Amino acid sequence: QVQLEESGGGVVQPGRSLRLSCSASGFTFSSHGMNWVRQAPGKGLEWVAQIWFDGSNKYYADSVKGRFTISRDNSKDTLYLQMNSLRDEDTAVYYCVREGWMRDHYTGMDVWGQGTTVTVSS
Amino acid sequence: DVVMTQSPLSLSVTPGEPASISCRSSQSLLYSNGYNYLDWYLQKPGQSPQLLIYLGSNRASGVPDRFSGSGSGTDFTLKISRVEPEDVGVYYCMQCLHSPRTFGGGTKVEIK
Repeated sequence: QVQLEESGGGVVQPGRSLRLSCSASGFTFSSHGMNWVRQAPGKGLEWVAQIWFDGSNKYYADSVKGRFTISRDNSKDTLYLQMNSLRDEDTAVYYCVREGWMRDHYTGMDVWGQGTTVTVSS
Repeated sequence: DVVMTQSPLSLSVTPGEPASISCRSSQSLLYSNGYNYLDWYLQKPGQSPQLLIYLGSNRASGVPDRFSGSGSGTDFTLKISRVEPEDVGVYYCMQCLHSPRTFGGGTKVEIK
């Protein structure tokens, strides 16, 4: 079945780096844009970054621009989020999310992973 | 950035009764192709969010027809015609026309 599985979360000190991965299965990964969405403890959802199906365009939330980099390896069906210069406020559950498309129309962020937890703390 | 404002913050509903959530955006979400780039998501307790409605009024696959989305431009509504116990959770609207994408603050739906 269609599935996204995040990994790479953990506890990291402020200023350090972490790379999240998201392994996709059950669909043609290279045909879909992908996103990262995060949720701080007890808070709402915050969109973090998006990458087009072929990696040609990338977009970021202002809060992570210049510190986070989204990338993908379509040969490995894997999405990444490189997080540098981590701050306390980056503490959150990070979700990998598929961009749905059907007949050239956007159909929502239709598949979500279970999330991986990042805790930034000294 | 586009600000998404949801109301109410919380809702307590008797099973079988209707419910309605409002979402307003600070900029129009109507694109030149005629679609409103507004989605609705539900996060059930302890779960990842799930897509309910995309492009303002289109139900995602597997979403019961008691859920409906409407609105255009800057004002949108999610309606549940008859709330079921499994509908509890936090509902979020999200705009995906303007970058960065932005979510509303969420509306928590509880069962009386």
